[in-house]
Amino acid sequence: DVKVTQSSRYLVKRTGEKVFLECVQDMDHENMFWYRQDPGLGLRLIYFSYDVKMKEKGDIPEGYSVSREKKERFSLILESASTNQTSMYLCASSGVGISSSYEQYFGPGTRLTVT
Amino acid sequence: AQKITQTQPGMFVQEKEAVTLDCTYDTSDPSYGLFWYKQPSSGEMIFLIYQGSYDQQNATEGRYSLNFQKARKSANLVISASQLGDSAMYFCAMREEQTGNQFYFGTGTSLTVIP
Repeated sequence: DVKVTQSSRYLVKRTGEKVFLECVQDMDHENMFWYRQDPGLGLRLIYFSYDVKMKEKGDIPEGYSVSREKKERFSLILESASTNQTSMYLCASSGVGISSSYEQYFGPGTRLTVT
Repeated sequence: AQKITQTQPGMFVQEKEAVTLDCTYDTSDPSYGLFWYKQPSSGEMIFLIYQGSYDQQNATEGRYSLNFQKARKSANLVISASQLGDSAMYFCAMREEQTGNQFYFGTGTSLTVIP
């Protein structure tokens, strides 16, 4: 059974704290993605990675960084958390290609609250 | 310009009736894939159905079918015989061959099935 796991379902952090969100996939997928989801805005891509140590900025990278040291693990880092980063964060992975075999598989999400 | 547009923020349907969720897309790539995902209140994203740009027939998966009108660039999801468990957010997404790795998501439609 394919699986994407995220380190926390719920997280509460204070303004200015450094926050790490971890994502692990067990499908040997090349691509991994971080999205944030806000009501009325859908899923917005923060960063994605198509290989180890490779990353590309998405639509809203400001205030975030990522790390991919191993193929199965993709970390999202909030260097100095702010209240406007309170959101649901979704990690996903996929293979290469556009057929149905290469759909994105999602983790359960992390609901981050920054106070 | 938006790659994926979902114009219905919320929809209601009577149990056992059929419902159509709209999705239009924008691309100049002749090779692309279209995906629909369901997100129940629990938060997980569930893949429902896929349509490739070169597929001659509309995709079907059980009670889900995709009404693909290539010239109009629309990929509407049809759910037949609605069930209470169909109440959820529904997202349309696209992946282009030329951009390869990135998925583009719409803002979603919230479907409520009324008993």
